[in-house]
Amino acid sequence: KNQVEQSPQSLIILEGKNCTLQCNYTVSPFSNLRWYKQDTGRGPVSLTIMTFSENTKSNGRYTATLDADTKQSSLHITASQLSDSASYICVVSASGVTGGGNKLTFGTGTQLKVEL
Amino acid sequence: SQTIHQWPATLVQPVGSPLSLECTVEGTSNPNLYWYRQAAGRGLQLLFYSVGIGQISSEVPQNLSASRPQDRQFILSSKKLLLSDSGFYLCAWTEEGRERGSPLHFGNGTRLTVT
Repeated sequence: KNQVEQSPQSLIILEGKNCTLQCNYTVSPFSNLRWYKQDTGRGPVSLTIMTFSENTKSNGRYTATLDADTKQSSLHITASQLSDSASYICVVSASGVTGGGNKLTFGTGTQLKVEL
Repeated sequence: SQTIHQWPATLVQPVGSPLSLECTVEGTSNPNLYWYRQAAGRGLQLLFYSVGIGQISSEVPQNLSASRPQDRQFILSSKKLLLSDSGFYLCAWTEEGRERGSPLHFGNGTRLTVT
């Protein structure tokens, strides 16, 4: 069964500090992995996407890494801001999908709160 | 640019009442459309997807149904709501033929509470 597990479940950090969120997956066959940011009461927004051959990708203060061998990904947030407070969701796509279904497996998210 | 609209933002309905949630996409043609449900502490669950007008695929047997009467309109319905239908419903789209390569673009969701 395809699964995506994220840790920690929740995290509180002070503004300006860095943090790292983890994602472990057992999706097979693997196609790509995305990180989404979901503000409270809003829809998720894509931050990064990584395919099998990529092991790091940055989007501003967000840097995602992927280790396809160990099936782990991390999202590192540098110099956190209050606006980073949100849920961060790891989503893994399986390959070999036809007909429009996207065969995405979603993690339950890490709830990040940035405080003054 | 493409935009996705979803309404209403919040809805409180009694058990047994009907439901209709609407989603429209602007700025693109023939998108793949999706309905997801997000329950507290759980990952997003795909309910329905559509690759074209009148084409609906259901991922999970349930009390809900979906329809796509127009290219960029996707509707989620129920004839009789159950308490277990409460949740956060998200509509999303991807570019045609690029389900795995392009991101899901989500609407801002509908918070449904069945009382």
